[in-house]
Amino acid sequence: LAKTTQPISMDSYEGQEVNITCSHNNIATNDYITWYQQFPSQGPRFIIQGYKTKVTNEVASLFIPADRKSSTLSLPRVSLSDTAVYYCLVGRRRRNTPLVFGKGTRLSVIA
Amino acid sequence: GAVVSQHPSWVICKSGTSVKIECRSLDFQATTMFWYRQFPKQSLMLMATSNEGSKATYEQGVEKDKFLINHASLTLSTLTVTSAHPEDSSFYICSASSGAEGLLSSYEQYFGPGTRLTVT
Repeated sequence: LAKTTQPISMDSYEGQEVNITCSHNNIATNDYITWYQQFPSQGPRFIIQGYKTKVTNEVASLFIPADRKSSTLSLPRVSLSDTAVYYCLVGRRRRNTPLVFGKGTRLSVIA
Repeated sequence: GAVVSQHPSWVICKSGTSVKIECRSLDFQATTMFWYRQFPKQSLMLMATSNEGSKATYEQGVEKDKFLINHASLTLSTLTVTSAHPEDSSFYICSASSGAEGLLSSYEQYFGPGTRLTVT
């Protein structure tokens, strides 16, 4: 499994765009990049997944450069409720394979 | 979307007793479920993989005789913490994955809300 590196923490003001970058230098050809969000005392929640270029959904965008050695989760106009830990995971899309979580990025949104 | 529930959401037990935590997939069949443990301010740590109808696979360092896992049906897996001690106090989270194509979009595992265990 590809090892991921993320900033331990980030602070942002409400209404700003937040970009969290994840480094995964040894990503394999068949690996996908997935981001999860976790609030205190809750299970993680899927945010977005991608393989290359850009993916966008109703809550976030995921930017992946051509070499795929990093990825950036972009949260537009964050609010206080976006305060959470964000995890970047890299691996194959195998339904019976467990997810391996790194340390994640603790995002604090300030009013 | 798919829903995974856990019961209880929190439990307090005395040292030396056993506690059972249930994980259910409510609207899909889960051939595989995963159990994680999370200590305060730390990341999720995989404990074991639970397969329906077969023995669970435990991660290195996880005592199989202490953390008993039973995946008796396609919608239920249970984790029993036997002879619990204060150091077992943690947040236990399960996730479920279906072996059938099409039920899950873009490959996502669905996580339960977690169970907070406190051993006194």
